[in-house]
Amino acid sequence: DVKVTQSSRYLVKRTGEKVFLECVQDMDHENMFWYRQDPGLGLRLIYFSYDVKMKEKGDIPEGYSVSREKKERFSLILESASTNQTSMYLCASSSIAGSYEQYFGPGTRLTVT
Amino acid sequence: QKEVEQNSGPLSVPEGAIASLNCTYSDRGSQSFFWYRQYSGKSPELIMSIYSNGDKEDGRFTAQLNKASQYVSLLIRDSQPSDSATYLCAVSSNDYKLSFGAGTTVTVRA
Repeated sequence: DVKVTQSSRYLVKRTGEKVFLECVQDMDHENMFWYRQDPGLGLRLIYFSYDVKMKEKGDIPEGYSVSREKKERFSLILESASTNQTSMYLCASSSIAGSYEQYFGPGTRLTVT
Repeated sequence: QKEVEQNSGPLSVPEGAIASLNCTYSDRGSQSFFWYRQYSGKSPELIMSIYSNGDKEDGRFTAQLNKASQYVSLLIRDSQPSDSATYLCAVSSNDYKLSFGAGTTVTVRA
């Protein structure tokens, strides 16, 4: 079974803090994704990576950056957290050998106060 | 912008009935289609994938795809209270990314 893990289930940070969210997958998947999910807005893609050190912007990259130094790990960075970044953050991975189905981690509910 | 639209919910069905969920997509080049189930406060879980026209059955779930009509559906037979969740339709056009619908919330009442 594919396993995607995220570093925290719940996180509370203060405005202006630098926040790191980490995601690890154990299936040797090439592709990794970061989404945020908000009521009424659905899943929105922040960034994705199709290889180590490669990244592409998704639909809402502003205020975020990412890092992929190892194939199994994909980090999302909030350089200076703001209250409008309070959300559920979901990491997913997929294989280029498959049919693009994505497998999600458990999510991190981030609250910025 | 590739659009995926799902029928607006919430959908309430009695236990044992069939729940029917619909999804349309705008990109005619789409190749892969997925249904995810998401329980409240949890992450999406892949429950069905379909790639060619027709029906695909897996237990109580049946996915139906009609590429000419750009339409994909999910039927849940013998609905159980444990099927109460939000169901997300996702579509891929072979560029690694998935486009997700907004989801349809299903409530199975006992």
